[in-house]
Amino acid sequence: DTGVSQNPRHKITKRGQNVTFRCDPISEHNRLYWYRQTLGQGPEFLTYFQNEAQLEKSRLLSDRFSAERPKGSFSTLEIQRTEQGDSAMYLCASSHLPRNTEAFFGQGTRLTVV
Amino acid sequence: GENVEQHPSTLSVQEGDSAVIKCTYSDSASNYFPWYKQELGKGPQLIIDIRSNVGEKKDQRIAVTLNKTAKHFSLHITETQPEDSAVYFCAASTSGTYKYIFGTGTRLKVLA
Repeated sequence: DTGVSQNPRHKITKRGQNVTFRCDPISEHNRLYWYRQTLGQGPEFLTYFQNEAQLEKSRLLSDRFSAERPKGSFSTLEIQRTEQGDSAMYLCASSHLPRNTEAFFGQGTRLTVV
Repeated sequence: GENVEQHPSTLSVQEGDSAVIKCTYSDSASNYFPWYKQELGKGPQLIIDIRSNVGEKKDQRIAVTLNKTAKHFSLHITETQPEDSAVYFCAASTSGTYKYIFGTGTRLKVLA
């Protein structure tokens, strides 16, 4: 197992375009989290899944953002009509509850909206 | 709302010296406190964690202490090495969601 995998690593898009990111968690991890990190700040929680169920969404997750985890394995995060303020690193993490609580992060997808 | 404060924001130490980073959390229900190391362009990497039923935990050169009464927890790195240079984040979470509230990070620079 190579850990949490995120694709793409970098994405440059024009304002107004839609983008989609993918996260493949560690095998058998039932919890999957999305965070956003802007320059010089700590990661901020966006949403999390228990298997395929989305259990909580942050107020940071506007209507333009949608996340899915259709089969309880990989997850996608889509941003519609991107804005310059969406430029950030989008991090995915996974964990297995109740076996342990440690969350392991992927390398992130860096989004730049021009 | 839930908040984690982290200090200092930057820290420079000579190689071989110790480094201490401190965090304070606001939610008294928090019971799990991980520390992450983040290198440039990479995702956060878990380096040590502590649960609320333990006051101290050590792993080689790294140790974490927790004071539940004061809602403080600290990271201690001894015998620092240049490869310890990175940004360190503390976080707090509670049973149930295990979503993390992160501190603002400490940029540690170890001078050779």
